[in-house]
Amino acid sequence: DAGITQSPRHKVTETGTPVTLRCHQTENHRYMYWYRQDPGHGLRLIHYSYGVKDTDKGEVSDGYSVSRSKTEDFLLTLESATSSQTSVYFCAISESGGQGEAFFGQGTRLTVV
Amino acid sequence: KQEVTQIPAALSVPEGENLVLNCSFTDSAIYNLQWFRQDPGKGLTSLLLIQSSQREQTSGRLNASLDKSSGRSTLYIAASQPGDSATYLCAVDHNSGYALNFGKGTSLLVTP
Repeated sequence: DAGITQSPRHKVTETGTPVTLRCHQTENHRYMYWYRQDPGHGLRLIHYSYGVKDTDKGEVSDGYSVSRSKTEDFLLTLESATSSQTSVYFCAISESGGQGEAFFGQGTRLTVV
Repeated sequence: KQEVTQIPAALSVPEGENLVLNCSFTDSAIYNLQWFRQDPGKGLTSLLLIQSSQREQTSGRLNASLDKSSGRSTLYIAASQPGDSATYLCAVDHNSGYALNFGKGTSLLVTP
């Protein structure tokens, strides 16, 4: 299994609070991704990174920010959590972006109350 | 925008049957197509990756085919087992080549 660790695995937070999810990889892959998975919508890309300090937006980036200060870590921050951000969040890695095989973490279940 | 569709959304078969899951995509300019398996409450497990220059890939009882020109892929599962019960997801890369677009999956139930 690819070495991807997401933390925390479960979190309940209140509306309006900031939340940071962490993805840590041991594979030294260049590309890292954050997706959210919701019933009826499937997996949707939030943000991705193609190198240290290099990030770009996905299709559902509003309300989210990311940072990548080291190859192995990719952080997703919800600046002010809303109930619509209740979801399961997945981190993924790939050695060569869309041209290579992607590997996923176990997910973080976030509930905003 | 690349759209990925998976049919059927759900499928129930008795153990031992061979079955086919379908995936279609709207933009044929892809680098690759990947099939994943997802068990309830778990992450995605990569099953097969087909590069755009390939026609098919095989792993054990799984065989995935790719017809880029028609925007279609199939995942064939031979001699299905209850342990195959899961959601199967198809994904193709964005035209930009940076990330994956996913279908909504096929939920498979194999009954003993």
